[in-house]
Amino acid sequence: SQTIHQWPATLVQPVGSPLSLECTVEGTSNPNLYWYRQAAGRGLQLLFYSVGIGQISSEVPQNLSASRPQDRQFILSSKKLLLSDSGFYLCAWSVEHRAGYGYTFGSGTRLTVV
Amino acid sequence: GQQLNQSPQSMFIQEGEDVSMNCTSSSIFNTWLWYKQDPGEGPVLLIALYKAGELTSNGRLTAQFGITRKDSFLNISASIPSDVGIYFCAGQSLNNNDMRFGAGTRLTVKP
Repeated sequence: SQTIHQWPATLVQPVGSPLSLECTVEGTSNPNLYWYRQAAGRGLQLLFYSVGIGQISSEVPQNLSASRPQDRQFILSSKKLLLSDSGFYLCAWSVEHRAGYGYTFGSGTRLTVV
Repeated sequence: GQQLNQSPQSMFIQEGEDVSMNCTSSSIFNTWLWYKQDPGEGPVLLIALYKAGELTSNGRLTAQFGITRKDSFLNISASIPSDVGIYFCAGQSLNNNDMRFGAGTRLTVKP
């Protein structure tokens, strides 16, 4: 069966420090991968998605970047965190070319920038 | 892009009451999905709807895909405390990378 792992679960980082959040998927190949951010009590904002290794699409301009160095690995990064980067970050995957099956989400990383 | 309007934004109900929430869009979708997010967790898929007019149940949950393909509702019957969480609607087009979420309905159930 397919599983998605996201870490760390919580993170407190000072302003100006770098960020690296990792997401890996097991049990499937060539998944579509997504990074979402959820501000406190708010909806889900799509940040990046990837349809393959090295292929990254950005939905909104921001202080963050994403990379996909391996088929089932998706990394969210920042060189210098801002206070506004605080939030709940969710990784998700979906089956390639099979619309209608929704996305499966990881358990999230709560990032607090202080 | 396509925007989903989800209402209500929040609900406070007594245990045992029924709940109804809905989602509307200015554009049509091929799939409507409903997710539930427990506090501190990622959203989990509850129900997926694939055809206009489709009515699907999952235990105490019932969801419908609107005839116009621009709306969907979710009902929860006989609510219990573990129903607490945020419920999100989502609409998906034929493009697997285009799934839009509503802003969520925060449900609080009082024992």
